[in-house]
Amino acid sequence: EAQLVESGGDSVQPGGSLRLSCAASGFTFNNYWMGWVRQAPGKGLEWVATISQGGGDRFYVDSLKGRFAISRDNAKDLLYLQMITLRVDDTAVYYCVRLEAVGTVDHWGQGALVTVPS
Amino acid sequence: AVMTQSPLSLPVIFGQSASISCRSSQSLVSSDGNTYLNWFHQRPGQSPRRLIYKVSVRDSGVPDRFSGSGSGTDFTLKISKVEAEDVGVFYCMQGTHWPWTFGQGTKVEIK
Repeated sequence: EAQLVESGGDSVQPGGSLRLSCAASGFTFNNYWMGWVRQAPGKGLEWVATISQGGGDRFYVDSLKGRFAISRDNAKDLLYLQMITLRVDDTAVYYCVRLEAVGTVDHWGQGALVTVPS
Repeated sequence: AVMTQSPLSLPVIFGQSASISCRSSQSLVSSDGNTYLNWFHQRPGQSPRRLIYKVSVRDSGVPDRFSGSGSGTDFTLKISKVEAEDVGVFYCMQGTHWPWTFGQGTKVEIK
């Protein structure tokens, strides 16, 4: 059974940086595109970024380009999200997700809470 | 593509049916001929779980009370005979145009 476990969530002052990690298990990690989706408290879901199997293709939602960077280490089955210049409105639960195929997500992690206090 | 769900709140009675609409601002038919419209269910305090992909394909283990339909820009999730475990928020998500986008969510609660 595929499993995704996020770590690295924390409270960070505005302007600070944070790196989230996602440990994948139960499947061949380097066979899948991966991504990050976030959910602000009490709000809906928002795509953040996706990355191809080898890491050569990366896509970001326009509003986060330049501040967020997705990467992966296929040797360690790890997915990362590096976030810089954090803002109050970046406060959210960040979910690591597996893209089963084109256009869909089939597995979600339990989420990592990032808090940027005002 | 902007995804618009309605209603945003849906009070239901156990055993009755419910229907959620999801409309896209542009066609979700991909260049490969597929339509990448998904439905997810998020119970309180949990991560979302996929129910349906490619408009109408149910995930393994998803009860056949859930059915998806639609084409182009208009899609529907139907729940026949709502059960207690169905409470939570349902989201549609398009995976045809990057960035992939979600609807605002429809909160299903028991009357």
